[in-house]
Amino acid sequence: AQKITQTQPGMFVQEKEAVTLDCTYDTSDQSYGLFWYKQPSSGEMIFLIYQGSYDEQNATEGRYSLNFQKARKSANLVISASQLGDSAMYFCAMREVLYNFNKFYFGSGTKLNVKP
Amino acid sequence: TAGITQAPTSQILAAGRSMTLRCTQDMRHNAMYWYRQDLGLGLRLIHYSNTAGTTGKGEVPDGYSVSRANTDDFPLTLASAVPSQTSVYFCASSPGRDSKTEAFFGQGTRLTVV
Repeated sequence: AQKITQTQPGMFVQEKEAVTLDCTYDTSDQSYGLFWYKQPSSGEMIFLIYQGSYDEQNATEGRYSLNFQKARKSANLVISASQLGDSAMYFCAMREVLYNFNKFYFGSGTKLNVKP
Repeated sequence: TAGITQAPTSQILAAGRSMTLRCTQDMRHNAMYWYRQDLGLGLRLIHYSNTAGTTGKGEVPDGYSVSRANTDDFPLTLASAVPSQTSVYFCASSPGRDSKTEAFFGQGTRLTVV
């Protein structure tokens, strides 16, 4: 079974509108971390936001928020007030600790296009 | 701040040739990783290292080898390249078991095997 599932290969959003990128995960661990990364066309991986499995509040970082629903094992990224510069590939990732080692699993990504 | 440096940035390699992708970090992170990124598949773990002197296999290790002689360097070697190894390769690191720390990435190496 896939550890991280992103079901939206591509998304379009109008500039200034909000958009939600979906992510579900699979783990039997109690302690884990969830991350979102942005990859613009230039190719670098940019860390956006983190949510710990024990965090009760949804994480927020500026225009980014993580809608964490633990029972549903979902960690959707919400981008408010989309900007043209938000056009990029977005990856959801999960960190598990295995034998004293952080292992990161990544989804297949969602390509977001922001329309002017 | 350098973070993670990968070299080369891109390379065209003849099938059957060997190549080493270099990765150096200056953050003194214990854990290092090599991922390959392919369209529609996201990032898949090739090899990892817990700490200097130890390495482990990820999801797609066949055709690749790694070494970790010291904390800073984690080279990835393709012994005899095949076209299916055409991909973008990312080196990453993390401090260790700190659960709130993300993985830090290099800028990637685009490899084309012809």
